[in-house]
Amino acid sequence: EVKLLESGGGLVQPGGSMRLSCAASGFTFTDFYMNWIRQPAGKAPEWLGFIRNKANGYTTEYNPSVKGRFTISRDNTQNMLYLQMNTLRAEDTATYYCATDNNWGFDYWGQGVMVTVSS
Amino acid sequence: DIQMTQSPTSLAASVGESVTITCLASEDIYGSLVWYQQKPGKSPQLLIYGATILEDGIPSRFSGSGSDTQYSLKINSLQPEDFASYYCQNGLSTPRTFGAGTKLELK
Repeated sequence: EVKLLESGGGLVQPGGSMRLSCAASGFTFTDFYMNWIRQPAGKAPEWLGFIRNKANGYTTEYNPSVKGRFTISRDNTQNMLYLQMNTLRAEDTATYYCATDNNWGFDYWGQGVMVTVSS
Repeated sequence: DIQMTQSPTSLAASVGESVTITCLASEDIYGSLVWYQQKPGKSPQLLIYGATILEDGIPSRFSGSGSDTQYSLKINSLQPEDFASYYCQNGLSTPRTFGAGTKLELK
């Protein structure tokens, strides 16, 4: 059974940093692209970026809306996915999800973790 | 970026009815359209990908159609558990973009 479990959310001040983690299990982690997606309360999801699989060299792509501030990485020995978020703004407040990729969209999602950027 | 425009924003229907939600892409996405369902407090669930391919375990009352820039999600014989929000998503290119959503409510 595929399981994705995010952690690391909470309250952070504007301008601060936060790292989210996603623990993956139930599938061959290195075979899959992994994504981060966020969703502000009451709004549509927003894709933040992905990190490719082993066959594609674990390279990354980002939404221009967060490129340069957010960094996606993975630890393939621990089946972990990470999202490093820097220079956080109030508009980054959202629920953050990790998700697997089926080449079209996102077939397995974690339960999400809330990030609140506020002073 | 490819913009995805969904309509309607909200929709009220009764159990047993059929409804259709539409999604218009700002450019041809060659059938690379994905639909999700999201219930309050839950993560989105993939329903359909490739415009017409039903994800495993999704009931056959859900169906997708469309091509080029215009796509539709049809739900036949609405069940109580179908009242939720629905989102379309561009699966052709990055950034992967979502429509603003359609909230399906019980009449």
